[in-house]
Amino acid sequence: QSMLTQPPSASGTPGQRVTISCSGSSSNIESNNVYWYQQLPETAPKLLIYRNNQRPSGVPDRFSGSKSGTSASLAISGLRSEDEADYYCAAWDASLSGVYLFGTGTKVTVL
Amino acid sequence: EVQLVESGGGLVQPGGSLRLSCTASGFSFSLYSMNWVRQAPGKGLEWVSYISSSSTPTYYADSVKGRFTISRDNAKNSLYLQMNSLRAEDTAVYYCARDVGIDYWGQGTLVTVSS
Repeated sequence: QSMLTQPPSASGTPGQRVTISCSGSSSNIESNNVYWYQQLPETAPKLLIYRNNQRPSGVPDRFSGSKSGTSASLAISGLRSEDEADYYCAAWDASLSGVYLFGTGTKVTVL
Repeated sequence: EVQLVESGGGLVQPGGSLRLSCTASGFSFSLYSMNWVRQAPGKGLEWVSYISSSSTPTYYADSVKGRFTISRDNAKNSLYLQMNSLRAEDTAVYYCARDVGIDYWGQGTLVTVSS
């Protein structure tokens, strides 16, 4: 089973905007909702974005999600030191008889 | 407050079996589908299995199909993962996770497969 493709790393200085891409296909990202998760070191993942661009309560509006065709993106504006974490996209795949695909993960470093 | 608490992890020899449990609280467990997701040491997230609120259907990753079985007991607010024929590559932290679009995660339980 395949995974969604993300860049392995991204970085920025405090206050900058960082964007993370997530590439998939017509059977996953294009036809299903995309979710984004943040995983701080040594902790369980946390939902950051659901249904492509919705933020759960408590998630700062510095985080935003978008989707176009077979790709999705997570943007972090006003980067802060506490945003240093691993980020994963995810989506169900309609062609693989029920498979929840995660992205390969992106490590965000705040310089 | 939604809480998911996993248990049952530990050290097991290759070829052995282990049963993980997840106890849910703070929401109507019987109304939600559930998942197991794992993370090998230093690696990314890998979805393992899904079960609907009524226990049918269930789905599995190819890497565990035929070896792992997901089940639930709505009366006990509990989710299970029976793991048989364990391999070294099954070594990971296993997370219990709620809903089709996973919104809550447990803290995880470590499974180590080694002789």
